[in-house]
Amino acid sequence: AQSVAQPEDQVNVAEGNPLTVKCTYSVSGNPYLFWYVQYPNRGLQFLLKYITGDNLVKGSYGFEAEFNKSQTSFHLKKPSALVSDSALYFCAVRPNTGGFKTIFGAGTRLFVKA
Amino acid sequence: DAGVIQSPRHEVTEMGQEVTLRCKPISGHDYLFWYRQTMMRGLELLIYFNNNVPIDDSGMPEDRFSAKMPNASFSTLKIQPSEPRDSAVYFCASSLGQGPYEQYFGPGTRLTVT
Repeated sequence: AQSVAQPEDQVNVAEGNPLTVKCTYSVSGNPYLFWYVQYPNRGLQFLLKYITGDNLVKGSYGFEAEFNKSQTSFHLKKPSALVSDSALYFCAVRPNTGGFKTIFGAGTRLFVKA
Repeated sequence: DAGVIQSPRHEVTEMGQEVTLRCKPISGHDYLFWYRQTMMRGLELLIYFNNNVPIDDSGMPEDRFSAKMPNASFSTLKIQPSEPRDSAVYFCASSLGQGPYEQYFGPGTRLTVT
């Protein structure tokens, strides 16, 4: 079965330190990969996506993500965390064939301490 | 563009009552999705439409749930009769085409069934 795993329910980091939010997936072929962020009482908001090409993708608010095909991972990163980055982060994967269903991970709560 | 619009933002109803949630997608988007988010089950895809036609409703939990998209700018999700376990945040999202396009989420409707 196709799946997306975010192994950490919560990630804690101090402001100014680098952050990583992990994502691995089990989807056949060459899927499209996405990261979304959800702030309290808001809908999900697109951050970045990987389609093809360079394994390092840059997105909104200084976030970037590293694609690793051999490890089927797509980890979200930021060099210097801000308190305002505290939110719920979702990894999402969409197969590039056979339909339009996007598979979302369970989400990782990021807490950035001042 | 105003983004995806959902109404109402909050709905409190009694068990057994009919509930109708409404969504206006972003103009020009031809895919529309309905999701449900709960603490226990995370983000679940209920149904999605392409060009106003339902494509996959396998996520609709029961016959009590129905969704329609009478035109490109309006969709409804109806629950009849509602039950306390339907309490959740319901999101509508829209997207362009069949390519690797991200989804744009509305602010959600928080449904409480007592």
